[in-house]
Amino acid sequence: DQQVKQNSPSLSVQEGRISILNCDYTNSMFDYFLWYKKYPAEGPTFLISISSIKDKNEDGRFTVFLNKSAKHLSLHIVPSQPGDSAVYFCAASGVTGGGNKLTFGTGTQLKVEL
Amino acid sequence: DAGITQSPRHKVTETGTPVTLRCHQTENHRYMYWYRQDPGHGLRLIHYSYGVKDTDKGEVSDGYSVSRSKTEDFLLTLESATSSQTSVYFCAIRDGTGLDYEQYFGPGTRLTVT
Repeated sequence: DQQVKQNSPSLSVQEGRISILNCDYTNSMFDYFLWYKKYPAEGPTFLISISSIKDKNEDGRFTVFLNKSAKHLSLHIVPSQPGDSAVYFCAASGVTGGGNKLTFGTGTQLKVEL
Repeated sequence: DAGITQSPRHKVTETGTPVTLRCHQTENHRYMYWYRQDPGHGLRLIHYSYGVKDTDKGEVSDGYSVSRSKTEDFLLTLESATSSQTSVYFCAIRDGTGLDYEQYFGPGTRLTVT
């Protein structure tokens, strides 16, 4: 049973436009959410996170939005750059359980075209 | 750079042979994790450690064992490798001293079981 779902395996956007990556979760015990970026032949790198007490967190070109009632989060990248082309994973954790484990989605391959 | 190294980076082995992968960290982090990444599955937790000699199972632990005899090293052993264990294996660390739930990943080990 996939508790964290990324239903779009791939996304293509033009340079300079907005990229929106989506993630849904089913476990109501999750209360901390993260996004990771992964280039080929490298380990995932942490990008941005959000606690369930917030509905938005921003870091430069990256903004994560959380809709708790819909159990949905999204990552916005504005403006998109060719170097953003990578696989993006969302992940979730239950802080009340110690936050020791992350559950990952299956990833979305973003391609930013010139 | 979270100071994580993995060895070997690439390995080809035969079915039925034992294999040990090593994760080494230089920053004294409490938590260490082993994941595997497979197409269509994202990152799945195999085992994790919350201290020297303290380990727990993840969602795909069958066929794997781990050991942590000192803070800096976390070993993953495939007792008798099978073709289904062909994958990319990532080690991750987490500090765990504050309200941070982010994990930081090593560069990965690509394992092929023939």
